[in-house]
Amino acid sequence: AQKVTQAQTEISVVEKEDVTLDCVYETRDTTYYLFWYKQPPSGELVFLIRRNSFDEQNEISGRYSWNFQKSTSSFNFTITASQVVDSAVYFCALSDAQGAQKLVFGQGTRLTINP
Amino acid sequence: DAGITQSPRHKVTETGTPVTLRCHQTENHRYMYWYRQDPGHGLRLIHYSYGVKDTDKGEVSDGYSVSRSKTEDFLLTLESATSSQTSVYFCAISEPGLAGGREQFFGPGTRLTVL
Repeated sequence: AQKVTQAQTEISVVEKEDVTLDCVYETRDTTYYLFWYKQPPSGELVFLIRRNSFDEQNEISGRYSWNFQKSTSSFNFTITASQVVDSAVYFCALSDAQGAQKLVFGQGTRLTINP
Repeated sequence: DAGITQSPRHKVTETGTPVTLRCHQTENHRYMYWYRQDPGHGLRLIHYSYGVKDTDKGEVSDGYSVSRSKTEDFLLTLESATSSQTSVYFCAISEPGLAGGREQFFGPGTRLTVL
């Protein structure tokens, strides 16, 4: 069975600090996909990134970066120079590569950026 | 943004009453999903659909049924609501892509309270 663990329930930092959200996953599949979603206080779920299990290259998008390491089954998310608008709940998720590619979510990490 | 709407957005009902939530998409995506979000659990899959009249169970399907008579509509029914079904319900859609993996796009959510 697939499983995603986000051990950090809540994180609080001061604006402009860097912050890393941890995600550890379990799967027996050789092909799978990893995702991060953001849920701001308004409640909607916003897709941030999808990563293929065969692609371990780190990715950077502005202040956001993602570190995928198959050796440790981790897909961590770093926000550099955090801003108040980054305050949200962040979810890591995993899907297999078959059919509906159903998502298995972690419990989420509530990130609060204080001015 | 993906064209996904959910109705109603908020509902309060009493234990034992039937409830139907509607998800409507304008993207003509093949796959549709229903998730529930509860504190400490992230999002969990209830049911999904891979085409008109083609549905299957997810992780937490007990007490729920679904129907999809048209590509654009996916209905979630609680035959006899219980307090444990108080939750926020999200609909999602996805479409097979050439690269294999695909992200799911989420609707705005329905907050259901069962008294």
